[in-house]
Amino acid sequence: NAGVTQTPKFQVLKTGQSMTLQCAQDMNHNSMYWYRQDPGMGLRLIYYSASEGTTDKGEVPNGYNVSRLNKREFSLRLESAAPSQTSVYFCASSLNPRSGAGEETQYFGPGTRLLVL
Amino acid sequence: AQSVSQHNHHVILSEAASLELGCNYSYGGTVNLFWYVQYPGQHLQLLLKYFSGDPLVKGIKGFEAEFIKSKFSFNLRKPSVQWSDTAEYFCALRGTYKYIFGTGTRLKVLA
Repeated sequence: NAGVTQTPKFQVLKTGQSMTLQCAQDMNHNSMYWYRQDPGMGLRLIYYSASEGTTDKGEVPNGYNVSRLNKREFSLRLESAAPSQTSVYFCASSLNPRSGAGEETQYFGPGTRLLVL
Repeated sequence: AQSVSQHNHHVILSEAASLELGCNYSYGGTVNLFWYVQYPGQHLQLLLKYFSGDPLVKGIKGFEAEFIKSKFSFNLRKPSVQWSDTAEYFCALRGTYKYIFGTGTRLKVLA
């Protein structure tokens, strides 16, 4: 099992350029998440997908769009990059049983470092 | 409102010192709590988690945490830290489909 994989690992963009960050998981998890990590601010949720076919906004969705392509893949798109989007982006997944409360652990990918000039 | 607070932003300890990192939460439902660790240049890894039962939870690498419901706390402890424990530590709360993370505590252990 590769777990959660992300591409690319590093990216430099110019202001106004667009790009898509890819994320895939091979653990048959239902839920997937995109976070950004900034110094002193911890992890902030951008978007999440509780299950295939659904997506919802998190804490900081402005400037981003997402697509849950299938159960395995969840991509994050920056349509017009801004310097404020310079950050480290982490994708995560969790099993998230549909019925009742069950044990839940998020598994994280290695991250994508994005620099917007 | 759902929130997680980590009051220690930076902690510096000498090897063999004891560690306690504070985590307080605000949540109205059944709490699921986690501590994650991020070593320099790496992604987040689970240290331990609490769902129910014994409020003293033991995790990997000698870490433990105690859930105190009356204090809304889930503090992380280790009796004797090592240089290799230098990392950033995040407390997290699971709400409905979403996780809320604290701002993290950077721990530096001096050899």
